[in-house]
Amino acid sequence: DIQMTQSPSTLSASVGDRVTITCRASQSISRWLAWYQQKPGKAPRLLIFKASTLQSGVPSRFSGSGSGTDFTLTISSLQPDDFATYFCQQYNTHPYTFGQGAKLEIK
Amino acid sequence: QVQLQESGPRLVKPSETLSLTCSVSGGSIRSYYWSWIRQPPGKGLEWIGYSYYTGSTNYNPSLKSRVTISVDTSKNQFSLKLTSVTAADTAIYYCASSLGSGDFDYWGPGTLVTVSS
Repeated sequence: DIQMTQSPSTLSASVGDRVTITCRASQSISRWLAWYQQKPGKAPRLLIFKASTLQSGVPSRFSGSGSGTDFTLTISSLQPDDFATYFCQQYNTHPYTFGQGAKLEIK
Repeated sequence: QVQLQESGPRLVKPSETLSLTCSVSGGSIRSYYWSWIRQPPGKGLEWIGYSYYTGSTNYNPSLKSRVTISVDTSKNQFSLKLTSVTAADTAIYYCASSLGSGDFDYWGPGTLVTVSS
């Protein structure tokens, strides 16, 4: 299975900050990577697919980049609604696998 | 907009079979790949597998011997059966859709299934 490793696992930031979360795959996944946002008690929400394509309805302050094994999710200016846990997921190879999550907390 | 809703028993005894159904509305069940994903409380996400309306399936090898996912086009539903459950199968179970690439664009709200005697 392809292992997905996110860093940091926890991040403290303030409203208005620019934050970056990284995701590393144990082998090349081309650009077959998605990012999800999950809030407590809720299902994950698709933010970005194919590494950098913004899902419809997702604010433009979210962006994704990368290819191969290294990927990043950037939030350009944190809003109060953005404090949540973020997961990456590879869909290059079965079984699909997720990162362990990165929890974004209010500083 | 596709809407998904999981249903089924919330408590299952060890060694028995976990059975869940996901009802689909707002979209054609023939247009998507239908997956089950689970999340032990406070932990990460695990893809269980998917089925297409044609009967084509793909399962996570870690669960393959115990899993069946099937689509019922007449009821606009798809289902999950997981046999011989243990406490390690206690999790929030989500149903989700994918247009084919493998990213999950729609999710059900999730249902917590507890395995306990």
